[in-house]
Amino acid sequence: AQSVTQLDSHVSVSEGTPVLLRCNYSSSYSPSLFWYVQHPNKGLQLLLKYTSAATLVKGINGFEAEFKKSETSFHLTKPSAHMSDAAEYFCVVSQNSGNTPLVFGKGTRLSVIA
Amino acid sequence: GAGVSQSPRYKVAKRGQDVALRCDPISGHVSLFWYQQALGQGPEFLTYFQNEAQLDKSGLPSDRFFAERPEGSVSTLKIQRTQQEDSAVYLCATLRDQTDYEQYFGPGTRLTVT
Repeated sequence: AQSVTQLDSHVSVSEGTPVLLRCNYSSSYSPSLFWYVQHPNKGLQLLLKYTSAATLVKGINGFEAEFKKSETSFHLTKPSAHMSDAAEYFCVVSQNSGNTPLVFGKGTRLSVIA
Repeated sequence: GAGVSQSPRYKVAKRGQDVALRCDPISGHVSLFWYQQALGQGPEFLTYFQNEAQLDKSGLPSDRFFAERPEGSVSTLKIQRTQQEDSAVYLCATLRDQTDYEQYFGPGTRLTVT
């Protein structure tokens, strides 16, 4: 069985300050881990993915995440927030192969204050 | 088209009505997934197709839910005798093939049952 816990339902940051969205996972298998972003009235977009290669993963729009097996964590970070980063972010786990269902966390809403 | 499309984008149904939600995948994508996203929650897996074969329907919440993909391309999710608890956004996602990890999501259909 697999599950994801996003530790914060809402994070608010000022523009230009760092972003940290926390995620812990549980998996019986060697997992694949993803972060997806959902802007209002738009489809889910993949930010980055970890599939057992490098543990520090770089994604789009300056986001990155680090896979830490010992801590079962996959936190998402960005050095400097932009207004356009305001959205819902989902941490996602699946088995380490394609063609398997994704298991989503409940999401973290990121607000960026000017 | 360039992405996954879903229709209708919005659907209002009276309790007890049947509805059909359509997903047009990215051309050539072999795998197709349906997810249900309740308000304020992350998406949850419903069912999955590889070509025309429905390989996993363990997430369908009741026998009122039925999905098909008869020619291995367009898929339809049908809900019979809709109930208020069926109100949600229904997301379709497609995957190029078994070696790929990135699921491409459509914009979703927002179903409201009154």
